[in-house]
Amino acid sequence: TQLLEQSPQFLSIQEGENLTVYCNSSSVFSSLQWYRQEPGEGPVLLVTVVTGGEVKKLKRLTFQFGDARKDSSLHITAAQPGDTGLYLCAGGEDDKIIFGKGTRLHILP
Amino acid sequence: NAGVTQTPKFQVLKTGQSMTLQCAQDMNHEYMSWYRQDPGMGLRLIHYSVGAGITDQGEVPNGYNVSRSTTEDFPLRLLSAAPSQTSVYFCASSRDGSSYNEQFFGPGTRLTVL
Repeated sequence: TQLLEQSPQFLSIQEGENLTVYCNSSSVFSSLQWYRQEPGEGPVLLVTVVTGGEVKKLKRLTFQFGDARKDSSLHITAAQPGDTGLYLCAGGEDDKIIFGKGTRLHILP
Repeated sequence: NAGVTQTPKFQVLKTGQSMTLQCAQDMNHEYMSWYRQDPGMGLRLIHYSVGAGITDQGEVPNGYNVSRSTTEDFPLRLLSAAPSQTSVYFCASSRDGSSYNEQFFGPGTRLTVL
């Protein structure tokens, strides 16, 4: 059974600080996705990483896929209150898309 | 396009009652799925479908039934609700079951079983 473990579970930091959250597995994934979810809404896709070692940037967010395709990280530079939310990683094999438990991020103004 | 729609938005049931959570998408997506989200547990896959007439079990299928008679609709049935099924339920769709494709989520149904 494939599992995705996310850390930390909770993170509360001041506006302007940098942070990194992680998504790890003992299994190899062909791709990993990161979603952000705001209260009362469904998750929304941020990025898909496909190639081992790949780095993708989305404004202040930097996503990296591990060389062995077992892990991924999300780095936020100069966090803003608008970054507050639940960050979920997802991966799949054989038509099953599974999610990690998420990192709940709170940016204090 | 409305995207993925779910009804109802909120529901309260008594133990043993049955109900159907509705999900529809207008993007002509082949793949649809149901997740439940509980505090600290992330999203757990209940059932999924790769196309009309085809369904399969996810991580936590017990107590739930699904059918996929059309491409657009993917209802989730609770035959005899239990308090352990209190949760927020999300329906999602994507072009196919590949993990490369974006999954589009509905707004969720918040279900309470007393």
